[in-house]
Amino acid sequence: EGQLVESGGGLVQPGGSLRLSCSASGFSFSASAMHWVRQFPGKGLQYVSAISSDGSGTDYTGSVKGRFTISRDNSKNTLFLQMSSLRPEDTAVYYCVRRIHGYDYWGQGTLVAVSS
Amino acid sequence: EIVLTQSPGTLSLSPGERATLSCRASQSVSNNYLAWYQQKPGQAPRLLIYGASNRATGIPDRFSGSGSGTDFTLTISRLEPEDFAVYYCQQYGSSFTFGPGTKVDIK
Repeated sequence: EGQLVESGGGLVQPGGSLRLSCSASGFSFSASAMHWVRQFPGKGLQYVSAISSDGSGTDYTGSVKGRFTISRDNSKNTLFLQMSSLRPEDTAVYYCVRRIHGYDYWGQGTLVAVSS
Repeated sequence: EIVLTQSPGTLSLSPGERATLSCRASQSVSNNYLAWYQQKPGQAPRLLIYGASNRATGIPDRFSGSGSGTDFTLTISRLEPEDFAVYYCQQYGSSFTFGPGTKVDIK
């Protein structure tokens, strides 16, 4: 059974930066496309970003393009999300997920709160 | 962007009853790439159904998915106490979008 564990969330001021990490185990991380998904306080879910298994392809939802960067280190089974120029509307729980058919593995989530 | 609408917003039922949840897409979902997730308070969502009708690993057969094109349904044949939760649909045929969710609560 695959396991994903996120870290790096916290309280940050508007305009600040955070780097989220996701440690994977129990499955072939290097063969898996990985995504970040966020859940807003009102409970809506939103796709944030995706990266191909080898890291050569990335994608972002429109509202984070130019501000967020997804990356991975397959030698360490770790996924990253570098977030900059954070806005209050980025406040959410951020989940690391594996994409196979839909999202079959989810982390427990890490809370990012953007507020002054 | 494909917009997903779920109905009803809340479904109040008793254990043992049948639950029928609807997910409608603003345009046809490519290859019927439609998934359903269950979320309980304080937990991450859990994949139930993918490809509109395929149960994910370990999902009981009381959960079934159907539909194609723009109209999809999740059916829970007989509600168990642990099935009271929020259910989300997601399309992954054209980028990735989620519906707003249906809450199934105890009547």
